[in-house]
Amino acid sequence: GESVGLHLPTLSVQEGDNSIINCAYSNSASDYFIWYKQESGKGPQFIIDIRSNMDKRQGQRVTVLLNKTVKHLSLQIAATQPGDSAVYFCAESLSGNTPLVFGKGTRLSVIA
Amino acid sequence: KAGVTQTPRYLIKTRGQQVTLSCSPISGHRSVSWYQQTPGQGLQFLFEYFSETQRNKGNFPGRFSGRQFSNSRSEMNVSTLELGDSALYLCASSRGHQNTEAFFGQGTRLTVV
Repeated sequence: GESVGLHLPTLSVQEGDNSIINCAYSNSASDYFIWYKQESGKGPQFIIDIRSNMDKRQGQRVTVLLNKTVKHLSLQIAATQPGDSAVYFCAESLSGNTPLVFGKGTRLSVIA
Repeated sequence: KAGVTQTPRYLIKTRGQQVTLSCSPISGHRSVSWYQQTPGQGLQFLFEYFSETQRNKGNFPGRFSGRQFSNSRSEMNVSTLELGDSALYLCASSRGHQNTEAFFGQGTRLTVV
């Protein structure tokens, strides 16, 4: 069945450094992925998505990398800021036609 | 443009009662999905609606049900509440029939006592 996992449950980084949050997925058929950020008391916030026909996509201060060979997804945050502190989730789907399956999440803590 | 709106934000119910939660999607979005979030289980899919039809259903008991109206607003109902139903219930909307660019609301925090 489909499953999404994360290598690191917690990540602490210095303000200004780059952050890398990793995600492993088990369903090789998954071809659509989303990264979400969830702050305390709020719903998940859409950050960036990527389809399997791409291996890299960039947004504002964020880059998502997809390695289909090893079924690995990562979110890179440049110049991490205190406001980036949150739990980050990756989610996968089959062309968006199946429900999003979420990983357990990684907590990012930014040290000022 | 307003985001996904969920009401109420907080709710306290006693065991055995039933509850109805509401979700208004982003204007123009026709797909609504519901998720349950708990510390132990994370985000788990409940069901998904598109054009008033349930497209997918997660692995939850029949006490959990939902529906979607012609204006795309959705409700979910939980009957015979159990303590374990305490969770953050999240609604996400997307434009088309696919779960791409799905945006979440703030959620409804349900506490069952």
